Amino acid sequence: SAVISQKPSRDICQRGTSLTIQCQVDSQVTMMFWYRQQPGQSLTLIATANQGSEATYESGFVIDKFPISRPNLTFSTLTVSNMSPEDSSIYLCSASGTSSSYEQYFGPGTRLTVT
Amino acid sequence: KQEVTQIPAALSVPEGENLVLNCSFTDSAIYNLQWFRQDPGKGLTSLLLIQSSQREQTSGRLNASLDKSSGRSTLYIAASQPGDSATYLCAVRFVQGGSEKLVFGKGTKLTVNP
Repeated sequence: SAVISQKPSRDICQRGTSLTIQCQVDSQVTMMFWYRQQPGQSLTLIATANQGSEATYESGFVIDKFPISRPNLTFSTLTVSNMSPEDSSIYLCSASGTSSSYEQYFGPGTRLTVT
Repeated sequence: KQEVTQIPAALSVPEGENLVLNCSFTDSAIYNLQWFRQDPGKGLTSLLLIQSSQREQTSGRLNASLDKSSGRSTLYIAASQPGDSATYLCAVRFVQGGSEKLVFGKGTKLTVNP
């Protein structure tokens, strides 16, 4: 199994600012993902973080708003740019191994409140 | 487009009762199905993973089944306890547009009353 940590665990930010969330996995993984969970909702995939190349974004999410880095096989960052109150959510980092049969693991999440 | 539906949205039971949570998905071409637990304000804990070739998986008081052809999975919880109170999420892993994705249902919020 993989243990995933995220920093910060929570933050309160002013609109118009940006926040970068860090995700660290305790072992090398092939795939890393970023999800958003809005209040009372389920998880929505934002993007797949690709090591050494640009992230793959889902419909409705764009790189200018959610730039993602993945410099190696254990670390990724998600930046929420030019924030508005609608960005208030829990952001979760996730990772899985080299096979489609592998389990997917999740970090504890970052609770973001934009005022 | 893959859609995952969970029924019921909420369930309240007395302690000790056996219960079943339901999950359905629209596209049967999945790699696997995973059940998670989420406690309020927390991340997700993986409970069970069922590969597409498997029919069921068991862990302690939990048993998950998969009928891929009909697009259904169930999570059976035996002898429920107050500590089982949480939101249970079902997710399916499949390929779309050349990339693998995990798509979630909206969850079932379970309350076990002492």
